[in-house]
Amino acid sequence: EAQVTQNPRYLITVTGKKLTVTCSQNMNHEYMSWYRQDPGLGLRQIYYSMNVEVTDKGDVPEGYKVSRKEKRNFPLILESPSPNQTSLYFCASSSHRGPNEQYFGPGTRLTVT
Amino acid sequence: AQSVTQPDIHITVSEGASLELRCNYSYGATPYLFWYVQSPGQGLQLLLKYFSGDTLVQGIKGFEAEFKRSQSSFNLRKPSVHWSDAAEYFCAVGASNTGTASKLTFGTGTRLQVTL
Repeated sequence: EAQVTQNPRYLITVTGKKLTVTCSQNMNHEYMSWYRQDPGLGLRQIYYSMNVEVTDKGDVPEGYKVSRKEKRNFPLILESPSPNQTSLYFCASSSHRGPNEQYFGPGTRLTVT
Repeated sequence: AQSVTQPDIHITVSEGASLELRCNYSYGATPYLFWYVQSPGQGLQLLLKYFSGDTLVQGIKGFEAEFKRSQSSFNLRKPSVHWSDAAEYFCAVGASNTGTASKLTFGTGTRLQVTL
């Protein structure tokens, strides 16, 4: 089954404790992206990757890091989480060509206390 | 820069009634347009997309949307709403001038409530 998986689905952590949210897709997609969803703000892009070893900032990259060492994986790293990073995070992937839809993972709900 | 406006934050309709969710976009050329639905506790599922051709697009679950260039709109419609349609709906625009998949800019969403 074609899918995007994220882990963990729920995470509660404390300020300053480094964490990683994993994202993996099995569709051989070149393009992957991370979004955060906040009430009243919709989805905002954090980082995206056009292919292996190619990443770039989205609209709200501050406080986040990403890496793309393999085509299927695109982890999101919060080196020193803060309460304003409490949010619902989505990973998405799509084929590199044309107006292809983005496939979304199930989401990771992160709470930073 | 591209942008999307969904003017209705919350809409309530009766089951069986028709539905129209509004979406206005800003983009310099013909955009790629999408409607996604997010059920409670779920990820986003694509309902339909437009990138060229017929301006009336059919999607899944009986939804359709019409691209109107003159109004910069891409409104989502359904003739008869079912209780299971209660969800949050997002309109999104993607740039068409790169020839490759690019970031989507999302609207802030419209939450649909269906009364029985």
